[in-house]
Amino acid sequence: GENVEQHPSTLSVQEGDSAVIKCTYSDSASNYFPWYKQELGKRPQLIIDIRSNVGEKKDQRIAVTLNKTAKHFSLHITETQPEDSAVYFCAASRRPSNFGNEKLTFGTGTRLTIIP
Amino acid sequence: EAGVTQFPSHSVIEKGQTVTLRCDPISGHDNLYWYRRVMGKEIKFLLHFVKESKQDESGMPNNRFLAERTGGTYSTLKVQPAELEDSGVYFCASSPPVLWANVLTFGAGSRLTVL
Repeated sequence: GENVEQHPSTLSVQEGDSAVIKCTYSDSASNYFPWYKQELGKRPQLIIDIRSNVGEKKDQRIAVTLNKTAKHFSLHITETQPEDSAVYFCAASRRPSNFGNEKLTFGTGTRLTIIP
Repeated sequence: EAGVTQFPSHSVIEKGQTVTLRCDPISGHDNLYWYRRVMGKEIKFLLHFVKESKQDESGMPNNRFLAERTGGTYSTLKVQPAELEDSGVYFCASSPPVLWANVLTFGAGSRLTVL
């Protein structure tokens, strides 16, 4: 089955600086890579995702890059703000099908702290 | 639109007792998933329903865990009898039919503490 590794487990950055979180995956058939943000006591929320037909996707201050050859993908947050403090999870899955093999496999999470 | 709701938000029970967690998915979402996060570890897959059918239950730890989704609406996850290692946060998530099946919306989770 799929195995997703995520680094670092904790990350502290000064407000205004950039943060980068990296993930690797093992299943070459995986083609969907979402990132979830979980604030304290709240539900994990999808913040950005990328499919394997593109190498980069951007949404305002967040971006995700994907290297299918190396089987790794990264989350980049620029101009960090205190409200970016949260736990971030990467995940990977295959294409949905009638066989139901699209379950997400998650990384272990990165606790990001933005220092004011 | 209501999101995914889970109940209870927190449950504290003693080893050997039974707990039932409930999840109400977003209306119209055929796919319902249960995940669990033990402190500091990954959000780990437990099982997947498509409507009322169990599509994949490969992540269920053992036969002390029983999940149901009668009628294809809400789902329950029962742990009986609970053990210390069952402590963690149990997340439910739902998603639309096939093409977007892996775009999950999560509930806030049910924190289970087994003493």
